[in-house]
Amino acid sequence: QVQLQESGPGLGKPSGTLSLTCAVSGGSISTSNWWSWVRQPPGKGLEWIGEIYHSGRTNYNPSLKSRVTMSVDKSKNEFSLKLSSLTAADTAVYYCARDLIGGDYVLYYWGQGTLVTVSS
Amino acid sequence: QSALTQPPSASGSPGQSVTISCTGTSGDVDIYNFVTWYQQHPGKAPKVMIYEVTKRPSGVPDRFSGSRSGNTASLTVSGLQAEDEASYYCSSYVGSNNLVVFGGGTELTVL
Repeated sequence: QVQLQESGPGLGKPSGTLSLTCAVSGGSISTSNWWSWVRQPPGKGLEWIGEIYHSGRTNYNPSLKSRVTMSVDKSKNEFSLKLSSLTAADTAVYYCARDLIGGDYVLYYWGQGTLVTVSS
Repeated sequence: QSALTQPPSASGSPGQSVTISCTGTSGDVDIYNFVTWYQQHPGKAPKVMIYEVTKRPSGVPDRFSGSRSGNTASLTVSGLQAEDEASYYCSSYVGSNNLVVFGGGTELTVL
């Protein structure tokens, strides 16, 4: 059973950069699956940030594309998210997720989520 | 790309059926089979209830069903139970820019 666990600072500074990592256990990151990041501001809905394949190929939400960088570390079986130029609007629970089969856009496996608060 | 449109709330009594709609624009819900429905309880990660418009993962009760007509997908919950009270989100793949969009979410209340 695949398990995902987010980690990273819970506090980010305005204009700074958020860095989160998702550790994958119970399976290899080098499969045919895509690995995604999704965020949810407090009391609001879900927003897809983007996805990455183990080769490093990425797809980003156009609304965030200029500020997002995703990467994969196959040696550690983990993938990461960097979000720059932070504002209060980036305060959210950030989830990492994996699709069901591979390229099916079904976010089947999820981490528990980590709250990031942007504040000075 | 705009988010998919869902009603903010829905409700029903135990045993009743309720249907939640998810309306897209041209080029998402209407042409791709990558429509997924998620259930989210407070403080928890979302859980897949329906994928590829109508498919139900193993372990999801058959009280949950999905359908689509044109650019509107629907989730029907039959025989409502107290544990069905949660927020429900639809999502769809959008071919341009290879992205996924979510609906705004529907809070389902079991009266």
